[in-house]
Amino acid sequence: GENVEQHPSTLSVQEGDSAVIKCTYSDSASNYFPWYKQELGKRPQLIIDIRSNVGEKKDQRIAVTLNKTAKHFSLHITETQPEDSAVYFCASIINSGGSNYKLTFGKGTLLTVNP
Amino acid sequence: DSGVTQTPKHLITATGQRVTLRCSPRSGDLSVYWYQQSLDQGLQFLIQYYNGEERAKGNILERFSAQQFPDLHSELNLSSLELGDSALYFCASSVGLAGRIQETQYFGPGTRLLVL
Repeated sequence: GENVEQHPSTLSVQEGDSAVIKCTYSDSASNYFPWYKQELGKRPQLIIDIRSNVGEKKDQRIAVTLNKTAKHFSLHITETQPEDSAVYFCASIINSGGSNYKLTFGKGTLLTVNP
Repeated sequence: DSGVTQTPKHLITATGQRVTLRCSPRSGDLSVYWYQQSLDQGLQFLIQYYNGEERAKGNILERFSAQQFPDLHSELNLSSLELGDSALYFCASSVGLAGRIQETQYFGPGTRLLVL
């Protein structure tokens, strides 16, 4: 089955610095890659996503890049702020319609932004 | 607030018991997903229902089952509970257009289950 590796497991940065979280996946059929942010005690929330036919996507301070050949995708957060502190999960989804749907999450990265 | 509701918020029970978790999706969403989040296993996809029918299965144990009713709410049934079933159980919903690759999922607040 699909295996998603996420690194690092913890990341501590100073406010204003950039943070990068990387995920690798194993199944080349994966075609959708969302990133979720989960604050302590709260629900996961989608922050950005990318489809397999796109190499990069940006949304203000957040960007995601995808390298299909190498089977890895990364989350980039620039100008980090203390409120960015949370656990971030990547996911790899195979969704080709009907019952062919598989979703695998990474183990998560605890990001701490120090003021 | 995502518009997805889950009840109960907390549940404490004993090993060997059976519990039912309930989820109401966002208005208009046809798909419901169930997830288990524990410290050692992380976030695990359990099962998906679309418009009343099971669509996809993840790492769901045979002791667990789910269903989606005509009004689109869903229930996750956990039986013969073990200590290791203690976890946070989330449901999520999406519009669920068949064949659409990019389906944004909206998570509910979760049900925290403690098995003693």
